[in-house]
Amino acid sequence: SQQGEEDPQALSIQEGENATMNCSYKTSINNLQWYRQNSGRGLVHLILIRSNEREKHSGRLRVTLDTSKKSRSLLITASRAADTASYFCATDGSGNTPLVFGKGTRLSVIA
Amino acid sequence: KAGVTQTPRYLIKTRGQQVTLSCSPISGHRSVSWYQQTPGQGLQFLFEYFSETQRNKGNFPGRFSGRQFSNSRSEMNVSTLELGDSALYLCASSLGGSGAYRGYTFGSGTRLTVV
Repeated sequence: SQQGEEDPQALSIQEGENATMNCSYKTSINNLQWYRQNSGRGLVHLILIRSNEREKHSGRLRVTLDTSKKSRSLLITASRAADTASYFCATDGSGNTPLVFGKGTRLSVIA
Repeated sequence: KAGVTQTPRYLIKTRGQQVTLSCSPISGHRSVSWYQQTPGQGLQFLFEYFSETQRNKGNFPGRFSGRQFSNSRSEMNVSTLELGDSALYLCASSLGGSGAYRGYTFGSGTRLTVV
């Protein structure tokens, strides 16, 4: 399906470590986006990568493509306690299809 | 510029009642999408409006409806509320053009509790 599935479901790391979350999908997608949600709040857009891009950087964020697994990983480097949140990948197909969100990865960064 | 504004922030309703939620998108954004978020189902797409027309619809019963006004503000309505409708309802606005950058800006959501 177009829906991305994140793994792991939960991740706990120490401050300063890197956090890696994967988003895999089964059908062709147009764009893949990552969003962050702090507890009970709205989602904040982090980064968008198009289907023809292999890698994208934004500050401490990096998204890379694994074509063999049809997945894209979000790497957060040098994590901080403030990065504690849920992270969602969202995919869309061609045309005006809506964004479909995965169930998210809950990241806990321990100071 | 102002962000996406959702009102009200919190709402408690009784089963069988109906409710209307409001969303004001970012100025210049013509697309408004609505999502229902629950712990068990995650973010489920409800519908998207673009230039006052429903462009996409999710798999929800007819009790869920929406509309968009000429100023791009959108409302969603849920009639005959059920306990399972308790959720965080999120509205997202975007420029809405197909094939272009379609990052969404989300509002803070309306927390609906049905008792």
